[in-house]
Amino acid sequence: GQQLNQSPQSMFIQEGEDVSMNCTSSSIFNTWLWYKQDPGEGPVLLIALYKAGELTSNGRLTAQFGITRKDSFLNISASIPSDVGIYFCAGRTGKLIFGQGTTLQVKP
Amino acid sequence: GAVVSQHPSRVICKSGTSVKIECRSLDFQATTMFWYRQFPKKSLMLMATSNEGSKATYEQGVEKDKFLINHASLTLSTLTVTSAHPEDSSFYICSAGTGLPNEKLFFGSGTQLSVL
Repeated sequence: GQQLNQSPQSMFIQEGEDVSMNCTSSSIFNTWLWYKQDPGEGPVLLIALYKAGELTSNGRLTAQFGITRKDSFLNISASIPSDVGIYFCAGRTGKLIFGQGTTLQVKP
Repeated sequence: GAVVSQHPSRVICKSGTSVKIECRSLDFQATTMFWYRQFPKKSLMLMATSNEGSKATYEQGVEKDKFLINHASLTLSTLTVTSAHPEDSSFYICSAGTGLPNEKLFFGSGTQLSVL
C-alpha cells in the first residue's frame, strides 16, 4: 500500500535555528499537506500544496511539492518555543495518508 | 481555517457497550470525510473513507461491522464503535475535505475512548 517516509523522526534545536523536514514516497500524490499536532488535539493544517514544484509559505513556514510528486519538504525559519510539537506530512490521492511524524523540541 | 467539530472529546465506557462519535463540518459541506485512529506517540492510521450517501470504504484490517460509519449528510459523519473492548481504547480523529479544486482537509479535535 501507499506509504510516506518522513524524516527526521525527531529534532532538538536551539531557538532561532532553522528546521527542515521531508517526506518521500514511492507513490505519486495529487496533494501534499503539512500539519502540526499538539498532545490530545487534532492536527492543524499548516500548508496545502496542489501542483508539482509548487512552493508555498505561511509566515515562517515554507513547503514545496516535489517535481516528481513523490516528495515534499517543510522548512521552519527562526524557530521559537511555540513551534514545539509533532509535524506530519500527508498525501492525498483518494485516501489521505500520513507520514510517521517529526517531533520538534526547541530549547529557549 | 474551516471548522470541524468532533464530539465527544472524551468517553469512558464499559466493555460490551457501543459508543457513537460525531464529526461535523460547521462552515462547509464535506463530500468526503476520513476516520483515523491514533495510538500514543504514533501517526494517524486511516480506518475508513466516508463519502456522503454511500457506503464507507474501509482499510485492510479494519472491521466494518465493529466500526460502523454513517455519512448521512454533507456536514455529518458518525463512527460507532460497537461492542467495545479494552483493545478499542484509542484516540479517534475525523477529517473533512472542502472539495475540489484545491481541497483542504481539516481535522476535528479528536475523541479519547477508554473502554474499561
